[in-house]
Amino acid sequence: EVQLVESGGGLVKPGGSLRLSCAASGFTFSNYGMNWVRQAPGKGLEWVSFITTSSGYIHYADSVKGRFTMSRDNAKNSLYLQMDNLRAEDTAVYYCARHLKLDVWGQGTTVTVSS
Amino acid sequence: DIQMTQSPSSLSASVGDRVTITCRASQGITNDLGWYQQKPGKAPQRLIYAASSLQSGVPSRFSGSRSGTEFTLTISSLQPEDFATYYCLQHNSYPYTFGQGTKLEIK
Repeated sequence: EVQLVESGGGLVKPGGSLRLSCAASGFTFSNYGMNWVRQAPGKGLEWVSFITTSSGYIHYADSVKGRFTMSRDNAKNSLYLQMDNLRAEDTAVYYCARHLKLDVWGQGTTVTVSS
Repeated sequence: DIQMTQSPSSLSASVGDRVTITCRASQGITNDLGWYQQKPGKAPQRLIYAASSLQSGVPSRFSGSRSGTEFTLTISSLQPEDFATYYCLQHNSYPYTFGQGTKLEIK
């Protein structure tokens, strides 16, 4: 069964940092580009970033560029999102999603930025 | 950036009704569009890919179509489990963009 499991969310103060992880199973992780998508409380979906299979290209939304860093470890079947200089508006559920066409999603991990 | 204008933002309908949700892209995206269903507290699930292809396991009452830069999701006969929020997503160019969402409620 194809599965994506996010972890690492939590409560952090403005200006703080957090690292999210996404563990993949049930498919050949190294063959797929991956995405992060977020959803603020009561709001719609916002694409955050995409990474190619070999990490050769990484794209970011303007809202996180310069603050968030996406990476992957194909040997560990894992995807990461390093979030620095966090703001209140980064509060959201963060999902990882497979493929440039976002065919499979994880269940999400919640990030709350508050003092 | 490509803007995706989704309408309506909310919709009340009854079991058995036929409903249509539309997304209009601000520029051409060929068929690089997917439709997603999201239920409260759950992750989105893809229903349609490449504008009109049905995701495996999704009931055939869901269908998608394209006319130029206008994309349509149709549910032919609403079932109780279809009441949810629906989003379109363009993945033609970065940044990827979602429609604002359509909340489908029971009349």
